[in-house]
Amino acid sequence: GQQLNQSPQSMFIQEGEDVSMNCTSSSIFNTWLWYKQDPGEGPVLLIALYKAGELTSNGRLTAQFGITRKDSFLNISASIPSDVGIYFCAGLTRGSNYKLTFGKGTLLTVNP
Amino acid sequence: GAGVSQSPSNKVTEKGKDVELRCDPISGHTALYWYRQSLGQGLEFLIYFQGNSAPDKSGLPSDRFSAERTGGSVSTLTIQRTQQEDSAVYLCASSFQLTSTDTQYFGPGTRLTVL
Repeated sequence: GQQLNQSPQSMFIQEGEDVSMNCTSSSIFNTWLWYKQDPGEGPVLLIALYKAGELTSNGRLTAQFGITRKDSFLNISASIPSDVGIYFCAGLTRGSNYKLTFGKGTLLTVNP
Repeated sequence: GAGVSQSPSNKVTEKGKDVELRCDPISGHTALYWYRQSLGQGLEFLIYFQGNSAPDKSGLPSDRFSAERTGGSVSTLTIQRTQQEDSAVYLCASSFQLTSTDTQYFGPGTRLTVL
C-alpha cells in the first residue's frame, strides 16, 4: 500500500523561529492534506492542496503540493507556544478518494 | 453538539473480552470513517461508510473487527476477543459526502487499553 515518509519526527524550537516539515512518497497523490493533533483530541485540518505546484497559506502556515505529486511541505512562520502539537501529512490517491494515508507525524515543541 | 463525538473516551478491558466503540457523526454527514492510531504512529484507515453501507472492509485488521452504521448516523466498531495489540486510539471522522474534496472532521477518539 501507499506510504508517506514524514520528517522530521520531532522538532524543538524557540518561540519566534520558523519551522519546516515535509512528506514524501513513492506513489503519486492527488490530494495532500496537513493536520494538527493536540493531546487527547482528533486531528484538525490545517491546509488542503488539490493541484500539483499549488502553494496555499493559512495565516502563519504555508504548504505546497510538490510538482511531482509525490511530496509536500508545511512551513510555520514566527512560531508561538500554541503551535505545539503533532503535525500529520495525509494524502489521497487516484481511485482511493476517501482513504486517507497518513504520515507518522512531526512532534513540535516550542520553547517560550 | 456541532462536532463528531465518540464514546467512551477511555476503555480498559481484559484480553479476550469484546468491546464496542461508538461514533456520532456531524448531523447531515453521509460519510463516516474509522481510523486506528497506535502509539507514535500515524492514523491507519480501517473502514468507511457511505450511508449505512460499508463497501470495502479490507482495511479491518482481522475478522475480530466489525463495524455497522444505522439510520445513516451512529456507527459502532466492535472488537471481539480483544488482544493486547488492539490497544490504540480509535478515531472516527465524518464528511458531508464521500468525495476527495470534502473535509473529514475527526472526533476526539476512544483510547482502548487491553490488559
